[in-house]
This record gives sequence, C-alpha cells and structure tokens, in this order.
Amino acid sequence: SAVISQKPSRDICQRGTSLTIQCQVDSQVTMMFWYRQQPGQSLTLIATANQGSEATYESGFVIDKFPISRPNLTFSTLTVSNLSPEDSSIYLCSVGRGHTEAFFGQGTRLTVV
Amino acid sequence: AQSVTQLDSHVSVSEGTPVLLRCNYSSSYSPSLFWYVQHPNKGLQLLLKYTSAATLVKGINGFEAEFKKSETSFHLTKPSAHMSDAAEYFCVVGVNTNAGKSTFGDGTTLTVKP
Repeated sequence: SAVISQKPSRDICQRGTSLTIQCQVDSQVTMMFWYRQQPGQSLTLIATANQGSEATYESGFVIDKFPISRPNLTFSTLTVSNLSPEDSSIYLCSVGRGHTEAFFGQGTRLTVV
Repeated sequence: AQSVTQLDSHVSVSEGTPVLLRCNYSSSYSPSLFWYVQHPNKGLQLLLKYTSAATLVKGINGFEAEFKKSETSFHLTKPSAHMSDAAEYFCVVGVNTNAGKSTFGDGTTLTVKP
C-alpha cells in the first residue's frame, strides 16, 4: 500500500491570494495525480505530475491557475492561484500501483472568502 | 478513452432492505473498476475493486459487485442496508496503466431510512 499525507487539511483564504497544497507519499512513484471535488460534485482530474517534466493538464485546467511542482519521486505541490469563491473545493492527490490499486490523500478543503 | 455512468443520483432504501447502486462503464481496454464510499466530510474509502480476476467481487461491509462485460456494468449490491451505509458512492474506472489516474462517476447518494 501507499500512505499519502496532504497538507494543509483545510484552509480559509482571501480572494486574490494563492494556496499551495503539499502531497507526500511514503514511497517513490513515477506519477502523482491531482483532483478537485467541488461542493456536492464528483472528483475531476486536474493534472498528472511527472517527476522531471512538466505536469500534464486535463481539459479546462491551465498551468497559470494550477501550477504544479514535482521536485522528487515522493513529493508534489499544487498551487491554486488568484483565488475566487468558485475555487472553494476539496483538492486531493493520488498515486497508483499499476492498474489495480489507487491511493488517495485525505484531501485539502479550501474555502475562499 | 473511458467513461463511467452512475445511473441513479439518489437511492433511498429502508434499513434491512437490499441496496443496488448501478454503474455502467465504457473503456477501450480491459478496465479496472472500483467502488468508493465517501461519508460526509470524510475521505474516500475503497469498498471493492475488479481487476480482471473473479467477476463477482466481495468488498468490505458486506458489499459486492459483479462485473458483466456483455452489459458493461459493475453494479454494487448489499443484501441488507444499515443506517451507517448512508453516504456518497462513486463508481470509478482506472486507466489501464495507472489506477491513480481515474475517471469518477457523478456519484450516488444513498439514504437509509429507519
């Protein structure tokens, strides 16, 4: 299995500011994934974070709004920039073990005021 | 490409009666399929998964799901609902190379009446 730690678990931010979310995995993984869960909605993949290369973003998500870092094989950060109330969501990171196992962090609950 | 459709956004059952949450999937390859549960203000919990072994999959808390390739379905069942089963349930299809990259269904809210 894999243990994922996310920080912070929750935060309240002013509009126009940014929040950086950290994701730490207890083992080395090639790819890490970031998801968003808007209130009352399902999870949507934001991007894939590869170590040593730029993140790959899904349709509707752009690097300027969601910059991602992947400095090593156990760590990644997601920044949500220029916050607006519409960014209020839960953000989660995940990793996989082949195609049979997926592990999710507990999520970061962001409220923008 | 892959997609997943949860056929019911809300399901309401009485305690002690069976639960059926329906899920259809689309995948261009042999899929890995998962059911997760999310209780209010809690993280995701894996209920069960199908990864090309037995088509009838048993999970935690008495839940089961049957993979039916001919019907492209992966419905979740439980013989007898408990009040603690009230939660949001997600059917998920994983990318064939990395399950961490997944497509989530829209979710089904299960309500259990006393």
